[in-house]
Amino acid sequence: NAGVTQTPKFQVLKTGQSMTLQCAQDMNHNSMYWYRQDPGMGLRLIYYSASEGTTDKGEVPNGYNVSRLNKREFSLRLESAAPSQTSVYFCASRISSGNTIYFGEGSWLTVV
Amino acid sequence: GIQVEQSPPDLILQEGANSTLRCNFSDSVNNLQWFHQNPWGQLINLFYIPSGTKQNGRLSATTVATERYSLLYISSSQTTDSGVYFCAAPNYGGSQGNLIFGKGTKLSVKP
Repeated sequence: NAGVTQTPKFQVLKTGQSMTLQCAQDMNHNSMYWYRQDPGMGLRLIYYSASEGTTDKGEVPNGYNVSRLNKREFSLRLESAAPSQTSVYFCASRISSGNTIYFGEGSWLTVV
Repeated sequence: GIQVEQSPPDLILQEGANSTLRCNFSDSVNNLQWFHQNPWGQLINLFYIPSGTKQNGRLSATTVATERYSLLYISSSQTTDSGVYFCAAPNYGGSQGNLIFGKGTKLSVKP
């Protein structure tokens, strides 16, 4: 039982490049989330998926797109990376609203 | 949306000391969670505590929902307690059930 798995763990991108962060959970959770963490800002929600087939914007969605590929997988795409997207990205999941949330180990992204 | 504020922002303790971390939230909640982020960045659930008191070893948490605050107690602190402690509450005004995080309390426990 791996929990929430994110890849890649580290990535350096040049401005304007695109990339996709992958996330998978094996806990049969309905809801999945992408957060970013910046120094002094705590965690801020980018996008979430309340259930398979649905996605919605969070606090800071600009510059990102997401895909809920199936119940297990929720990917985050940066179409044209900008230095302001340098951050640590966390994927998370939980069975439903009101229950404990579980985080992946984080993906460190640097855009130069 | 809901506002979540934590205090203090930084805390330095000598090993063995006790501490209390506070989380204030602006709206009524039915879901309050505490997390520990270790120095390697891993986020670990500590408590899911919408109200009342829970204990887990040297850690305990109390949420007083009617007064919109939660407290995390760390007793007999150890160096492994170092890291950042976050509380999070759901943002009903926006996306229901999605957690809004405070900015965290950075704890450093010195040997």
